Amino acid sequence: KAGVTQTPRYLIKTRGQQVTLSCSPISGHRSVSWYQQTPGQGLQFLFEYFSETQRNKGNFPGRFSGRQFSNSRSEMNVSTLELGDSALYLCASSGSLAAGAGETQYFGPGTRLLVL
Amino acid sequence: AQKVTQAQTEISVVEKEDVTLDCVYETRDTTYYLFWYKQPPSGELVFLIRRNSFDEQNEISGRYSWNFQKSTSSFNFTITASQVVDSAVYFCALNIGSSYKLIFGSGTRLLVRP
Repeated sequence: KAGVTQTPRYLIKTRGQQVTLSCSPISGHRSVSWYQQTPGQGLQFLFEYFSETQRNKGNFPGRFSGRQFSNSRSEMNVSTLELGDSALYLCASSGSLAAGAGETQYFGPGTRLLVL
Repeated sequence: AQKVTQAQTEISVVEKEDVTLDCVYETRDTTYYLFWYKQPPSGELVFLIRRNSFDEQNEISGRYSWNFQKSTSSFNFTITASQVVDSAVYFCALNIGSSYKLIFGSGTRLLVRP
């Protein structure tokens, strides 16, 4: 089975721009979660989607948004980029059935975003 | 509040040494799940183990073993006979039964020198 895939792998943007990152979960997985990793804050939860519905959201400003499509693929969008948004953005998938809490999340390789 | 503490920021060992990575967690929930992930330089988080709060059995997988002790809220990870390929950052994470997010510790960077 193919793992979680994320595109693009690397991205350079300038302040004020917006960016869209894409994530394709493991086949059969219906839950997709997004995390931000920075040297200062570590790994922080952004949001989680299941069956096109956001079930959980972390403590991030409204500039961070996401969505999930009917095929479970997910996108996250960051508008009005700031220097502090430079990070590794990781997507994870889980849940072949009910995708309840506590299921193992399998991570993709991440997208490295640099904001200049 | 839920929290995961990995007090060891960086550990350096010589190949073939045993090494233990500490993880202490905080939660008031009775149902929770604990995880360990490995992050090599490539950046991807690789799943190692999942444990639920009702299963305190220790687990061994090859050179890896995990010690879960609810009495001390710890979930420690031991690598026996370490190898250079074990060099990575290791994260301990907590998921409570009513949530879908992982709460990560700050990670422990392990360097195994030849």
